[in-house]
Amino acid sequence: GAGVSQSPSNKVTEKGKDVELRCDPISGHTALYWYRQSLGQGLEFLIYFQGNSAPDKSGLPSDRFSAERTGGSVSTLTIQRTQQEDSAVYLCASSLGSGTGSQPQHFGDGTRLSIL
Amino acid sequence: TQLLEQSPQFLSIQEGENLTVYCNSSSVFSSLQWYRQEPGEGPVLLVTVVTGGEVKKLKRLTFQFGDARKDSSLHITAAQPGDTGLYLCAGPNQFYFGTGTSLTVIP
Repeated sequence: GAGVSQSPSNKVTEKGKDVELRCDPISGHTALYWYRQSLGQGLEFLIYFQGNSAPDKSGLPSDRFSAERTGGSVSTLTIQRTQQEDSAVYLCASSLGSGTGSQPQHFGDGTRLSIL
Repeated sequence: TQLLEQSPQFLSIQEGENLTVYCNSSSVFSSLQWYRQEPGEGPVLLVTVVTGGEVKKLKRLTFQFGDARKDSSLHITAAQPGDTGLYLCAGPNQFYFGTGTSLTVIP
């Protein structure tokens, strides 16, 4: 597809379960970002990849959160032992370049995660 | 961290009214971007402003970058229901977005 694709679009799971969220960026985009957004709020930065490496993991809220990117393309955000406060929309974006310039980010439509 | 404060946080207006939303920081930015996010979708870039004092127009939307490059404003003329959404500013280090302004335009 032409845009950033995220799956699943919705995920409901029980507290304590692990979840994996997937992001397929625009082909050729070297930078990939994960954000978390609570209802009607701004974006909370989680992690940034340049290629397969993550030079900035400062936004991950706890060691239950991890992310990887393979082949410079698809990325997976994993949340272990989910808690109710993890409920949010998780957005992925990709861009050309290093991510610290003025290149626009292209966002997916997000995964809405609900922890029961 | 370059903190970006947006105001107002929420805005509800009637169709045809004008409005201005603000993005402020204590830091100087080399550039600043505005995004709009509609319900159930990801944010979409509207404009990038680069030069202090710069004014850019996008149809009924006017964006201004402050002379000191610490603040920006978005003015919408004759708002339409299609303008409804969450407006976000972002600095050049795009990891950090503003707190957002949620706009509702009532028909």
